[in-house]
Amino acid sequence: GESVGLHLPTLSVQEGDNSIINCAYSNSASDYFIWYKQESGKGPQFIIDIRSNMDKRQGQRVTVLLNKTVKHLSLQIAATQPGDSAVYFCAENKWTGRRALTFGSGTRLQVQP
Amino acid sequence: DVKVTQSSRYLVKRTGEKVFLECVQDMDHENMFWYRQDPGLGLRLIYFSYDVKMKEKGDIPEGYSVSREKKERFSLILESASTNQTSMYLCASSLRPRTGPLHFGNGTRLTVT
Repeated sequence: GESVGLHLPTLSVQEGDNSIINCAYSNSASDYFIWYKQESGKGPQFIIDIRSNMDKRQGQRVTVLLNKTVKHLSLQIAATQPGDSAVYFCAENKWTGRRALTFGSGTRLQVQP
Repeated sequence: DVKVTQSSRYLVKRTGEKVFLECVQDMDHENMFWYRQDPGLGLRLIYFSYDVKMKEKGDIPEGYSVSREKKERFSLILESASTNQTSMYLCASSLRPRTGPLHFGNGTRLTVT
């Protein structure tokens, strides 16, 4: 399959463990954040989003935490499964008059059976 | 279900050729985007469009142009392809430009020789 990134930071976890993927964003004015998952050979797939007026949001097996003080975003995946193996990207809306998201460089999650 | 279709999965072109990358969405979204994805660099915005015949430059527009003649179709044009434009190109669309998820196609892997 297609290699999304050859020099990505990699997180390796055991199946069934919880995973935490971190992201530092750059602009304190950003007010909207998204996590995407990208499997080999596919485009990024939306996982969960959060607005800056929230600290935490939960989805199915996933939780996003936002710490505006230190400009940090994290994605927690509960009971990680082999199908969770992918590259994960955070994205922020850096509202400088531009109407588009800005993406981080990604983290590769490897789930060991 | 949301569908963004990129016409080619793989393309090989020669330096100096004019290249067209086509993208079609079936969700009646106003906003469409072109990103390129390179190892270690994540996704970088080339151009986006928030309405038919409207376009805005992203972070790396040099060497590219776009066309949005119909709402569902957004084309990326490489006027004179160069080897440094070898990359994965991802098209996306969204209902809202600033918040709300982008829906991505599966990408076009372009190689310029």
